[in-house]
Amino acid sequence: EAGVTQFPSHSVIEKGQTVTLRCDPISGHDNLYWYRRVMGKEIKFLLHFVKESKQDESGMPNNRFLAERTGGTYSTLKVQPAELEDSGVYFCASSRGQFYHEQYFGPGTRLTVT
Amino acid sequence: AQSVAQPEDQVNVAEGNPLTVKCTYSVSGNPYLFWYVQYPNRGLQFLLKYITGDNLVKGSYGFEAEFNKSQTSFHLKKPSALVSDSALYFCASSTGGGNKLTFGTGTQLKVEL
Repeated sequence: EAGVTQFPSHSVIEKGQTVTLRCDPISGHDNLYWYRRVMGKEIKFLLHFVKESKQDESGMPNNRFLAERTGGTYSTLKVQPAELEDSGVYFCASSRGQFYHEQYFGPGTRLTVT
Repeated sequence: AQSVAQPEDQVNVAEGNPLTVKCTYSVSGNPYLFWYVQYPNRGLQFLLKYITGDNLVKGSYGFEAEFNKSQTSFHLKKPSALVSDSALYFCASSTGGGNKLTFGTGTQLKVEL
């Protein structure tokens, strides 16, 4: 089966611009997660979808970040307007179930805000 | 609040020698612990997990990890390292059955000939 895919692989934007990241989970996986790794530090949770509903968005840093998962398939994460501290690698993961199930990660999108 | 610590930024091992990548955790309630590996330009790959039961967990590529409740540790081990094991390793924890993961800062493993 195809793995989790993310687009783009790399994005360079200027401060104040808007960027939209896309994640396509593994087919049949209802659970979709967003994480990010900033400046080589630990990977931090952003939010969790179950199908099209936000189950947990406690990790979203502020209202400049908007995540959607229309139809319960792919998800987008929009940053508007982008700030310098938003630079990092954004990972998407999916899992078949919530409980005790390992998450499968995509390759990440490297976002650079200049 | 949960936290995971990986005390070593980098571990160097000679090929054929045993390797250990350390991880300690701090969680309230029963911990669910995971190890992931990241190769360059790739996503994180699941290696193994501890949910309950036997404290020694076996995973992919010959890796295993030992859950030690008294020491709150979950060290990753392999009896004989390969150059191809060189990668970035992340320990992670969750509570509530595996929803959001809390990660350590990662340990770069370098296996040399």
